[in-house]
Amino acid sequence: RKEVEQDPGPFNVPEGATVAFNCTYSNSASQSFFWYRQDCRKEPKLLMSVYSSGNEDGRFTAQLNRASQYISLLIRDSKLSDSATYLCVVNMGGSQGNLIFGKGTKLSVKP
Amino acid sequence: DTAVSQTPKYLVTQMGNDKSIKCEQNLGHDTMYWYKQDSKKFLKIMFSYNNKELIINETVPNRFSPKSPDKAHLNLHINSLELGDSAVYFCASSPWGDQYEQYFGPGTRLTVT
Repeated sequence: RKEVEQDPGPFNVPEGATVAFNCTYSNSASQSFFWYRQDCRKEPKLLMSVYSSGNEDGRFTAQLNRASQYISLLIRDSKLSDSATYLCVVNMGGSQGNLIFGKGTKLSVKP
Repeated sequence: DTAVSQTPKYLVTQMGNDKSIKCEQNLGHDTMYWYKQDSKKFLKIMFSYNNKELIINETVPNRFSPKSPDKAHLNLHINSLELGDSAVYFCASSPWGDQYEQYFGPGTRLTVT
């Protein structure tokens, strides 16, 4: 089983749509979870950390299910500017800062 | 002000050459990283340093040698470049601790011909 798995997409959605991305991870001891965003030919940037109780930042909601080793990201009211690749990121333990990046889910929001 | 900077941004070179990529961060972070993103966009950690000490050394060829002269700089030297080394190399930094965001530099696009 791969360490962090995501559906690569692409997800093509109209503006205003709600879209959800899922991610599974293999290490049950993982403690830190994140969603990063990467625009084409740019560096990854943190979108949001994911907390056990779930957390929301504006139109973005992240959920964590430790029992199923599953993370989700929900984007409501999609904007054209949301078009990017969304990377699920999990700390694999062992060494500090040893983040494992999923291959990313590509989102394209159309007018 | 640039938080994490890398030079050069683009690097085109021939097989067998030796090249270096430099990275500097002005965020005051203790930990710095090198990542490789290949043509399939898979981002994988190569090395991390904390206060100039090597912490993570993933399975990379020993042709790759990181050097940290101080905690604000982490350079990557690559010997005997091969075609398969072509990729985008990202430097990143963060405070020490798993819960912190990693800040990435703009990347160095290396093409080996």
